[in-house]
Amino acid sequence: SVLTQPPSVSGAPGQRVAISCTGSRSNVGAGFDVHWYQQLPGAAPKLLIYSYTNRPSGVPDRFSGSRSGASASLAITGLRPEDEADYYCESYDSSLRGFVFGSGTKVTVL
Amino acid sequence: QVQLVESGGGLVRPGRSLRLSCAASGFTVSAYYMTWIRQAPGKGLDWVSYISSTDGSTYYSDSVRGRFTISRDNAKNSLYLQMDSLRVEDTAVYYCARVSGNDVLDYWGQGTLVTVSS
Repeated sequence: SVLTQPPSVSGAPGQRVAISCTGSRSNVGAGFDVHWYQQLPGAAPKLLIYSYTNRPSGVPDRFSGSRSGASASLAITGLRPEDEADYYCESYDSSLRGFVFGSGTKVTVL
Repeated sequence: QVQLVESGGGLVRPGRSLRLSCAASGFTVSAYYMTWIRQAPGKGLDWVSYISSTDGSTYYSDSVRGRFTISRDNAKNSLYLQMDSLRVEDTAVYYCARVSGNDVLDYWGQGTLVTVSS
């Protein structure tokens, strides 16, 4: 994948986990925003965080995003069993002239 | 409220064609960029194509360019994906999504499964 994410993270209920997303000069480094999506088992992806740090209405504030240079991070605090899902970061790539995704990170609640 | 409903998936032989539809409600398709994203079984998300709202320009990933065609029907408020010369590796769930400011995919359909197999 064009964007790099860890394949998996895990944590006990109530703990904090974080997922990184690293891009390159033609996407994140070129100034295109990073967005995060949550995909629950068997469901379609759903927008979780947009433009690095913004939560759509209805998304709990346990989910937060941040930015550092050409990277982005998604944090989940107060981990809950229902947070078990795949999480994808996404941006636009000026070289490919299309949307690019990370390979996805599976969050497991121990 | 915004809703996207895909249809048209199914089982098809390699080399054949299939046309996917995405019916939109709660907004006007022609006013937004729209995109198709696919997900092969057990794999991640893979961008396929998008169409612009401004002039109808279309863009494709390298893996489908020349075989797939994205289009929209303003009167039916729908998005389409014509898929020709299908390959086994095109097997996936295909999602349509609305593109909002800063290239965020803010609404997704439930997906339609395309299986290419002999």
